[in-house]
Amino acid sequence: EDQVTQSPEALRLQEGESSSLNCSYTVSGLRGLFWYRQDPGKGPEFLFTLYSAGEEKEKERLKATLTKKESFLHITAPKPEDSATYLCAVQAAYNFNKFYFGSGTKLNVKP
Amino acid sequence: EAQVTQNPRYLITVTGKKLTVTCSQNMNHEYMSWYRQDPGLGLRQIYYSMNVEVTDKGDVPEGYKVSRKEKRNFPLILESPSPNQTSLYFCASSLAGREQFFGPGTRLTVL
Repeated sequence: EDQVTQSPEALRLQEGESSSLNCSYTVSGLRGLFWYRQDPGKGPEFLFTLYSAGEEKEKERLKATLTKKESFLHITAPKPEDSATYLCAVQAAYNFNKFYFGSGTKLNVKP
Repeated sequence: EAQVTQNPRYLITVTGKKLTVTCSQNMNHEYMSWYRQDPGLGLRQIYYSMNVEVTDKGDVPEGYKVSRKEKRNFPLILESPSPNQTSLYFCASSLAGREQFFGPGTRLTVL
């Protein structure tokens, strides 16, 4: 069964305190892994797509990496505006139209 | 401005009263999808559409219908809503197989 698990469920950081969010997945062939950011009361907003193990993508304080079983979203020197829920989703190679989302990590960055 | 719009944003209804949630995108995307988001369960795919008149079931299609008569619109129909369909609903669109753009969400309460 295709499944995505994110950990931790919630994470509190002090401003400037770097950390990582985890997304582990089981899928019958991975076509793509997507990271989204979701602010309260809003729809998810796209951050990154990763397609193959070893791939890395960066955007400001965020860096996403991918292995054969999991992905990490590294947050370097976070700021309060990075507070949000981060969602990961996998796209199966056998059906590009189906997406499986994790339940998210809620990040709170205190000033 | 490129966007996905949903209406209504909030809806309270009673069991059995048919309702439609509209979704429209202005990016000429072939692919559109509906998700529901429940606490602890993440986003779960209800239905998706690869193009006009082409739709297929996601993971939780029971109790829902969709249609895709025009490329820009993808309404979600609940013919006989029940309390277990109380949820936050998101519509999304994308180019085939690519990152999705999400609408602002529709919060539905079925009494």
